[in-house]
Amino acid sequence: QVTLRESGPALVKPTQTLTLTCTFSGFSLSTSGMCVSWIRQPPGKALEWLALIDWDDDKYYNTSLKTRLTISKDTSKNQVVLTMTNLDPVDTATYYCARMTYGSGSFDPWGQGTLVTVSS
Amino acid sequence: SSELTQDPAVSVALGQTVRITCQGDSLRSYYASWYQQKPGQAPLLVFYGKDKRPSGIPDRFSGSSSGNTASLTITGAQAEDEADYYCNSRHISGNHHYVFGTGTKVTVI
Repeated sequence: QVTLRESGPALVKPTQTLTLTCTFSGFSLSTSGMCVSWIRQPPGKALEWLALIDWDDDKYYNTSLKTRLTISKDTSKNQVVLTMTNLDPVDTATYYCARMTYGSGSFDPWGQGTLVTVSS
Repeated sequence: SSELTQDPAVSVALGQTVRITCQGDSLRSYYASWYQQKPGQAPLLVFYGKDKRPSGIPDRFSGSSSGNTASLTITGAQAEDEADYYCNSRHISGNHHYVFGTGTKVTVI
């Protein structure tokens, strides 16, 4: 059974850096074709794709957020970490991680999500 | 801003059929995936690719695509199908960039 779980701070101050961890089980990110993505959803709004890392350690970022995002993996710990710099209140959202199998084009399954509020 | 456009809301009578559409240039090149999201829950994949339904998803959910439009059809809608639905596809630029639709609220009446 594949599961993912996000963890990180619930409250971050503006201009600070956010670090989120996705801990997963049921698959290995060293297996060819495996990818993990981060996706966020502001309250009451639509989903927004943020970043993806694949089994070969290739990394891809939302073009509009690229300068603020860094995605990395620790295969031995089954974790993927996302950092986002220079937080602003508009970054308040539920942040999800999800698995993608290369070629499927779809995210499945998703973690439960973690709500991050950016406020002073 | 999203490059996949969906109608904000649709309603369907219990047991009837509803089609949710998703429009965008990337859909000319890539298949859409569809997600169901109920309040307070993470999205759930319900249909993807040309004709794939994940294990455990009822066969009343089906998908299709033509030109720049992808559709998710719920045939015989049930009360538990009331949710937000999002499409997504690879970005038209390709190269492992992805985009989500604006979302459609489905109400079962």
